[in-house]
Amino acid sequence: AQSVTQPDIHITVSEGASLELRCNYSYGATPYLFWYVQSPGQGLQLLLKYFSGDTLVQGIKGFEAEFKRSQSSFNLRKPSVHWSDAAEYFCAVALNTGGFKTIFGAGTRLFVKA
Amino acid sequence: DTAVSQTPKYLVTQMGNDKSIKCEQNLGHDTMYWYKQDSKKFLKIMFSYNNKELIINETVPNRFSPKSPDKAHLNLHINSLELGDSAVYFCASSQPTQGANGYTFGSGTRLTVV
Repeated sequence: AQSVTQPDIHITVSEGASLELRCNYSYGATPYLFWYVQSPGQGLQLLLKYFSGDTLVQGIKGFEAEFKRSQSSFNLRKPSVHWSDAAEYFCAVALNTGGFKTIFGAGTRLFVKA
Repeated sequence: DTAVSQTPKYLVTQMGNDKSIKCEQNLGHDTMYWYKQDSKKFLKIMFSYNNKELIINETVPNRFSPKSPDKAHLNLHINSLELGDSAVYFCASSQPTQGANGYTFGSGTRLTVV
């Protein structure tokens, strides 16, 4: 069955440090891949997406993600984290199974320490 | 100029009651969704409508009934509320059809059943 795995339930990084959030998917074909961010009490906001082409994609708020087909991964990165980046991050996959359906990972909570 | 708006933001009700959540989008999107986010932040799709037509209906109790009077509105009615229905319900929309381009989410409705 198709699935999205975010291995880290929570991560703590220091402000100014680099960040990498992991995401792995299980799907027979190349899916449509997304990262969303959810601040407390808010809805999800799309950070970036990958369909095809360049495997390194740039998003909003200084985030980027790299698609690695061989590892079935789509990890999110940011070179220097700001305190305002503290939030819940969701990896998602849109699957074309005769119609698209989006499946979300369980989320990774990011804590930023001063 | 909220793109996807949900009302109410908070809803506290007793078991057995019937309640509705409303969603409107002003993005001109064709497709709208309802997602349920549980206490562990897990997001699960419930329903999807494309231009007023139901296209995704996950395994959801038939106490939940979505209604789309037009493609800009998708409401969720819940009958005979149970404790387990307590969650945050998110409305989302997308274009093109079915989320291959990512979703725009509302800010959520926190439903508490007591």
